[in-house]
Amino acid sequence: IAGITQAPTSQILAAGRRMTLRCTQDMRHNAMYWYRQDLGLGLRLIHYSNTAGTTGKGEVPDGYSVSRANTDDFPLTLASAVPSQTSVYFCASSDSGHTEAFFGQGTRLTVV
Amino acid sequence: GQNIDQPTEMTATEGAIVQINCTYQTSGFNGLFWYQQHAGEAPTFLSYNVLDGLEEKGRFSSFLSRSKGYSYLLLKELQMKDSASYLCAVRDSNYQLIWGAGTKLIIKP
Repeated sequence: IAGITQAPTSQILAAGRRMTLRCTQDMRHNAMYWYRQDLGLGLRLIHYSNTAGTTGKGEVPDGYSVSRANTDDFPLTLASAVPSQTSVYFCASSDSGHTEAFFGQGTRLTVV
Repeated sequence: GQNIDQPTEMTATEGAIVQINCTYQTSGFNGLFWYQQHAGEAPTFLSYNVLDGLEEKGRFSSFLSRSKGYSYLLLKELQMKDSASYLCAVRDSNYQLIWGAGTKLIIKP
């Protein structure tokens, strides 16, 4: 692993199903973030974690949950997917709140 | 509310210079970032400004005026590979990034 990795790359999901998007980084960054990117809109923060063991809500947290059991992993769970959650999801990490963020390659999720 | 404004789309010619503007209104300011995003790919970091003035990095420069809530990204000697979206983001008082919708830059030969 080099950098930040997301899985899966893409997924088609039936509405109502539960889904976990995985994110792993090997840079020992303290802060991690989940964003969604929709056409015509900027990246919108879903949840974040400033350090292992802590999480916080971003701009659009409803319908999503996260956990940060250790420094490297930051999974995002959709408890019961809805079509409005169709989007491209990016995980990112940064050394602290003061430095640039590095992004994973994204997960393209379609909820039907 | 917090707001980042950038033009939706710009077109420029290979070899020319283009300036992409970004204006912002945020709750606090702890730095401004520019990222490049090619279609279907992740954003990648280009530049960071926290003090007023110009930061130069090769063909790319970024300028900040905190009093005006304004920044621009200047791209010189444009190449076809510069065709991408350019995202402006401001770190607010909570150290969270607020993102603009991005400017799609089209380079023509």
